[in-house]
Amino acid sequence: NAGVTQTPKFRILKIGQSMTLQCTQDMNHNYMYWYRQDPGMGLKLIYYSVGAGITDKGEVPNGYNVSRSTTEDFPLRLELAAPSQTSVYFCAGSPGQSSETRFGSGTRLTVV
Amino acid sequence: GEDVEQSLFLSVREGDSSVINCTYTDSSSTYLYWYKQEPGAGLQLLTYIFSNMDMKQDQRLTVLLNKKDKHLSLRIADTQTGDSAIYFCADDSGGYQKVTFGTGTKLQVIP
Repeated sequence: NAGVTQTPKFRILKIGQSMTLQCTQDMNHNYMYWYRQDPGMGLKLIYYSVGAGITDKGEVPNGYNVSRSTTEDFPLRLELAAPSQTSVYFCAGSPGQSSETRFGSGTRLTVV
Repeated sequence: GEDVEQSLFLSVREGDSSVINCTYTDSSSTYLYWYKQEPGAGLQLLTYIFSNMDMKQDQRLTVLLNKKDKHLSLRIADTQTGDSAIYFCADDSGGYQKVTFGTGTKLQVIP
């Protein structure tokens, strides 16, 4: 069991470029989440999904899109990267009880 | 929305006890958590407490919950240099098993 796997670990983007942050889990968790972590701000929820085919906005969804075509995968898409999206991104999965939520190791994204 | 607040920084000497505090606004949480994040790493669930409990002890860690004051604390006994990290308080009041995080407290342990 690898748990929650995120790729890439690091990425530098130019303003206006697009990219997809990958997240996959092998725990058969229904619930998946994307957070961003900014210094001194804690983690903010971007999007979440309660099952395949179902996604919903979190606290800070602007500038991002997600899809959930399978239970395992929950990619996060940035269409037009902006410097304000420089952050560390964490994906997480949960079987339906928040005490079992597990996080990936994060993707550090810099937009220049 | 829910607010979870923590002080940003705590410095202690090795061997002393550390107490990290957290206040929250939403009383509908089922679980409250403490996560640990070491430099450059992801989040590790350290411990959690069910909302109908007052205290939970797990080896060097003691979690205290005061529901009336909406206050959560984490006490680390005999703090070691390996405990240096950022500690996040969190709860699941957001529904759909979402975890809402505090701003994090950076614990510095001085040898």
